[in-house]
Amino acid sequence: GQNIDQPTEMTATEGAIVQINCTYQTSGFNGLFWYQQHAGEAPTFLSYNVLDGLEEKGRFSSFLSRSKGYSYLLLKELQMKDSASYLCAVSPIKAAGNKLTFGGGTRVLVKP
Amino acid sequence: EPEVTQTPSHQVTQMGQEVILRCVPISNHLYFYWYRQILGQKVEFLVSFYNNEISEKSEIFDDQFSVERPDGSNFTLKIRSTKLEDSAMYFCASSKHPGTLYNEQFFGPGTRLTVL
Repeated sequence: GQNIDQPTEMTATEGAIVQINCTYQTSGFNGLFWYQQHAGEAPTFLSYNVLDGLEEKGRFSSFLSRSKGYSYLLLKELQMKDSASYLCAVSPIKAAGNKLTFGGGTRVLVKP
Repeated sequence: EPEVTQTPSHQVTQMGQEVILRCVPISNHLYFYWYRQILGQKVEFLVSFYNNEISEKSEIFDDQFSVERPDGSNFTLKIRSTKLEDSAMYFCASSKHPGTLYNEQFFGPGTRLTVL
């Protein structure tokens, strides 16, 4: 089965850093994705990790440890527009088609 | 920049009625997906579609659901007899490369289905 856990909600101050953790237990692993979702909108792709280590993309970084079933998304220099839900999703190994299994999402509220 | 489009943005229907949700995936993409998100809950996989056939489906995707690619551009999700619990946001997604390591899925804006 698939189980993906992330905190429900986090609050941070504009300009600060926030780290969103995600732990997963899945029957296969073909990569971990982070998506951003503003209320009432579609998820938009942020980052992808398939090998251990840190991937940096501007203000956003994502880390993966496959042996620990653990990832985090780091948001630096927070802006008000970063207030959104952040979805951790795992793609299981499959020869044809990589469905995404999503966690419940972490709602981040950025305060001035 | 190419994007996935969906119509309608909001559909209201009576319980027991059939609905068809429409999607136009990104033109050079080969894999198509439907996901749903009940209000306040997580995004859930429904079905994936490749080479004109279903490649995988979830337990949610029962006999009441079907998908079709009626022409070269549209991808549809049909719910035969809607139930109250089908009320959700339905997202279409597409991706470029089948079976490769990096398989970023691009999501459409969603159709909000309300079943009364």
